Amino acid sequence: NAGVTQTPKFRILKIGQSMTLQCAQDMNHNYMYWYRQDPGMGLKLIYYSVGAGITDKGEVPNGYNVSRSTTEDFPLRLELAAPSQTSVYFCASSQRGELVSPLHFGNGTRLTVT
Amino acid sequence: QKEVEQNSGPLSVPEGAIASLNCTYSDRGSQSFFWYRQYSGKSPELIMFIYSNGDKEDGRFTAQLNKASQYVSLLIRDSQPSDSATYLCAVTGTASKLTFGTGTRLQVTL
Repeated sequence: NAGVTQTPKFRILKIGQSMTLQCAQDMNHNYMYWYRQDPGMGLKLIYYSVGAGITDKGEVPNGYNVSRSTTEDFPLRLELAAPSQTSVYFCASSQRGELVSPLHFGNGTRLTVT
Repeated sequence: QKEVEQNSGPLSVPEGAIASLNCTYSDRGSQSFFWYRQYSGKSPELIMFIYSNGDKEDGRFTAQLNKASQYVSLLIRDSQPSDSATYLCAVTGTASKLTFGTGTRLQVTL
């Protein structure tokens, strides 16, 4: 099994550009998450989903959007990129929710906005 | 006060010693406590979780939880160079979502 796959691994954006970070999992997990990790900071939850068609905001949702049309895919959309969105982005999935089952993380996307 | 606090380190221990990593949290209602390990440039992976007061052992790892004092710790016995990583404490916080600490960097020296 591939687990959680994120693409791309690296990306440089100019201010104001948009992009979609892709995330796919093959473990049939209902729960999926997007986190960002800034240097010296903990993981911050951006958006999460408890199943196809259901999404909700996390701690830092501004500037991002998500959709969950299938169980497998959970893309994160950045509109009008800003330097403050420079970060490492991790997608994760969980079988029964992050409070009672492990988060399985993808390898991350390192995004730089200049 | 941060919801989850960890000393950023680095915590340096010699090979074979016990590494003790600590984490304090602010929400008295927290119920679930996790330790994730993150190697440099890699994604986090779960190594331990604990829900009840006391100790929980898994191989060389022991998680300790004291809800009255609002701290959770991770002990690593017989530390190995391969244990060198950042250890993230995660605790259920507001709205029952998981809140991560900033992590403690552990260095195991030869």
